[in-house]
Amino acid sequence: DVKVTQSSRYLVKRTGEKVFLECVQDMDHENMFWYRQDPGLGLRLIYFSYDVKMKEKGDIPEGYSVSREKKERFSLILESASTNQTSMYLCASSGYRLAGTYEQYFGPGTRLTVT
Amino acid sequence: GQQVMQIPQYQHVQEGEDFTTYCNSSTTLSNIQWYKQRPGGHPVFLIQLVKSGEVKKQKRLTFQFGEAKKNSSLHITATQTTDVGTYFCAHLSGTYKYIFGTGTRLKVLA
Repeated sequence: DVKVTQSSRYLVKRTGEKVFLECVQDMDHENMFWYRQDPGLGLRLIYFSYDVKMKEKGDIPEGYSVSREKKERFSLILESASTNQTSMYLCASSGYRLAGTYEQYFGPGTRLTVT
Repeated sequence: GQQVMQIPQYQHVQEGEDFTTYCNSSTTLSNIQWYKQRPGGHPVFLIQLVKSGEVKKQKRLTFQFGEAKKNSSLHITATQTTDVGTYFCAHLSGTYKYIFGTGTRLKVLA
């Protein structure tokens, strides 16, 4: 079974702090993603990576950066946390499966509160 | 950019009633995926549809992809309390980018 793990389930940080969210997958997937989930807005893509050291901006990259130094690990960085970044952050990975399915596997999520 | 609209946003049903959520796009979709997220949980992949007019079933769940490949639906027959959660449709655009609908939150009243 694919496992995607995230470093924290809950995190409370102060405005202006630098925040690191870590994600690790164990299925040797090429693609990894960071989303934020807010009520009524669904899942919004922040960044994704299709290979080590490769990254692409998603729909809402402002205020975020990412790092992928190893295939299994994808980190989301909030350079200077702000209260509007309070949200649920979901990491996901995907790779080719049978019959051309590229399903995404999600981690448990990190609920970040910025005060 | 490409968008996928999902309706309704919320649905409350009595246990045993049927439920349907719809996903619509203004452009043709090469595929549609469906995910379920239980309360407090994370999205879990249910199914992928790729063919025009395709219908797939998983027990009480029926998934359809429209003939024009611009819409899709998920229908649950005789809902149970275990069906509670948020259902998302998603389109894989190209090789990497997933575009998610806003989700339909289902509540089942016992």
